[in-house]
Amino acid sequence: NAGVTQTPKFRILKIGQSMTLQCAQDMNHNYMYWYRQDPGMGLKLIYYSVGAGITDKGEVPNGYNVSRSTTEDFPLRLELAAPSQTSVYFCASSYSSLGAGSGELFFGEGSRLTVL
Amino acid sequence: AQTVTQSQPEMSVQEAETVTLSCTYDTSENNYYLFWYKQPPSRQMILVIRQEAYKQQNATENRFSVNFQKAAKSFSLKISDSQLGDTAMYFCALIDGGSQGNLIFGKGTKLSVKP
Repeated sequence: NAGVTQTPKFRILKIGQSMTLQCAQDMNHNYMYWYRQDPGMGLKLIYYSVGAGITDKGEVPNGYNVSRSTTEDFPLRLELAAPSQTSVYFCASSYSSLGAGSGELFFGEGSRLTVL
Repeated sequence: AQTVTQSQPEMSVQEAETVTLSCTYDTSENNYYLFWYKQPPSRQMILVIRQEAYKQQNATENRFSVNFQKAAKSFSLKISDSQLGDTAMYFCALIDGGSQGNLIFGKGTKLSVKP
């Protein structure tokens, strides 16, 4: 089972460049999330989606954009990359709302992004 | 605002011994859920155990159990019979009931199991 697949696993960007981190899940999950993990810190929510066509901001959305045109895919776009966006990015999905208690997050393996 | 605090950046334990990881949290809600996630060196994070705040009984999953003290806002993870494969970062997380997305994570505890 593929689960949650993220690409690329590693990327180096120059300041001001743009890129898209891809995320796909094959579990037919309604909920998808993007987190970033900075060194020595916990994960912080960037954006999330409760279904195709619906997205919402998390705790740290500035500098990012997302779209959810299908249930399977949830790409994260970085516009005008900045050194502060150097981080490890994790995509995750869940079948139901985490706030309902029954949901469990399934994570991808992460994408390490460095902005120089 | 909700917060999750893990006060132990690193811990180590001998194989087969028991270790307890600490977590405290703060929320103004009465209905919420708490989680422990494990992130092995391969980096893919997986759920270890879940606790509903309205349940007084502590959750258990095989060698993993929690000590949930609601009044003290404490949620510690006990790993019994530690195995080398338990070596990982462990994250405590909180979400308010009814919230759709924002799972709040602590900074994590790096656990090393020594042979």
